[in-house]
This record gives sequence, C-alpha cells and structure tokens, in this order.
Amino acid sequence: EVNLVESGGGLVQPGGSLKLSCAASGFSFSGADIHWVRQASGKGLEGVGRMTTKSSNYATEYPASVKGRFTISRDDSKNMAYLQMNSLKTEDTAVYYCSFYRPAHGMDVWGQGTTVTVSS
Amino acid sequence: QSVLTQPPSVSAAPGQKVTISCSGSSSNIGVHWVSWYQHLPGTAPKLLIYEDDNRPSGIPDRFSGSKSGTSATLGITGLQTGDEADYYCGAWDNSLTAEVFGTGTKVTVL
Repeated sequence: EVNLVESGGGLVQPGGSLKLSCAASGFSFSGADIHWVRQASGKGLEGVGRMTTKSSNYATEYPASVKGRFTISRDDSKNMAYLQMNSLKTEDTAVYYCSFYRPAHGMDVWGQGTTVTVSS
Repeated sequence: QSVLTQPPSVSAAPGQKVTISCSGSSSNIGVHWVSWYQHLPGTAPKLLIYEDDNRPSGIPDRFSGSKSGTSATLGITGLQTGDEADYYCGAWDNSLTAEVFGTGTKVTVL
C-alpha cells in the first residue's frame, strides 16, 4: 500500500527556517520524481519545486518565488524526501504537500499535507 | 499566481454532465502533459487524469480528459453528490520551471 507521511510543519518567524520531511513507502521511491506543492488558505495549488531521479542526475528546479530560499533533497536509501525552507516570508504560509511523479502513473502519490505558518 | 485559467464554478443536477476547461500557453499545456486533480479541503489532492487522457487505476470512466493545442478539458458524466469538490488542472511550465496549476473550479451538484 502506497503511503506518505509528512512532518516538520509549524510556526516560524519571518526570516526563519524550517525543514519538511516526507517518508514514503509502498512504491519505487527511487524511480519517482519528487514534487513539493503548497496551498495557501483560500488559494489554489502552487508548485514550489521538483527533484528528478538519480538517472536524471537528481536535477532540481524551482519557481522564482522560492528559488534561492528553498532546497529539495532526497535519500533514496531511506525513502525520504525533504524540503529545506530558508528566509521564510509571511507569504510562504500554506499547507505543503509532497508528491511523487511516477512514469506511466503521473503524480498519483500525495502526502496528507503539513501546515507552515510564518508569522511574528 | 495560477497561469492556467479555469472557470470558477460549474454545476449540474445528479446524473448530468459537466465539463471544465483549462487554458494555458505554449510553455505549459502546449508542450507538456496535462493532469487533473480532485481536491477536498483538508485532504490530499487526488489524481483523476494524467498524460492528458489517462485514468489511474480505480478512477471510474465517468471522468475523462482531452487536450487540444494549449487547452485541456475535464469531463464528468453521471454526476454524483460525491463529486462535489474543487478540481485543478496541472502541467509543467518551461518558462516558470515549475509545475503550474489552474485557478481551480468548484463543482456543485444541484
């Protein structure tokens, strides 16, 4: 059974840092691209980054809104994905989801979401 | 800052059909696959359609996807009360280097 468990969310002051974790099981973790997606209250979904697989050189890409502040990493030996968030802004407040894109399956695996609140 | 445009809401009676449009550009839908998601507040988004018109295992054939040029469409037939949710299209965007999503469409079953 496919399962994702996210953790690490919480309250942080502007300018602070937070690291989200995503523990995966039940599918070929190493063969899936990692995506992090967020949703601010009352807003739509927003992709905040992607990391490919080892076969694609663990390439990462980020939108301008988080580039230079957010970093995605993975540990294929532990089936873990991470999102390191630095220099956090109030506009980063959202529910953050980890998600996985599997070839021939699409982005069909999603975590339950973890809430990040950036406030003083 | 959604770059894919969807109608804010659609509605129909039980058993009827609704379609949701998703308009993009040559940097996203025009060159990449489109996915569709069903999202209920407080839950994980659920993939309904991937690679433009494919259904994951377990998704009923009441849900269908199509794409033409820089636009895509989700169709839901035999509408059920359990279909009430927010629906989002999504695609990779070369210019923004990010997975972009639509503005979201709320489906209401009358």
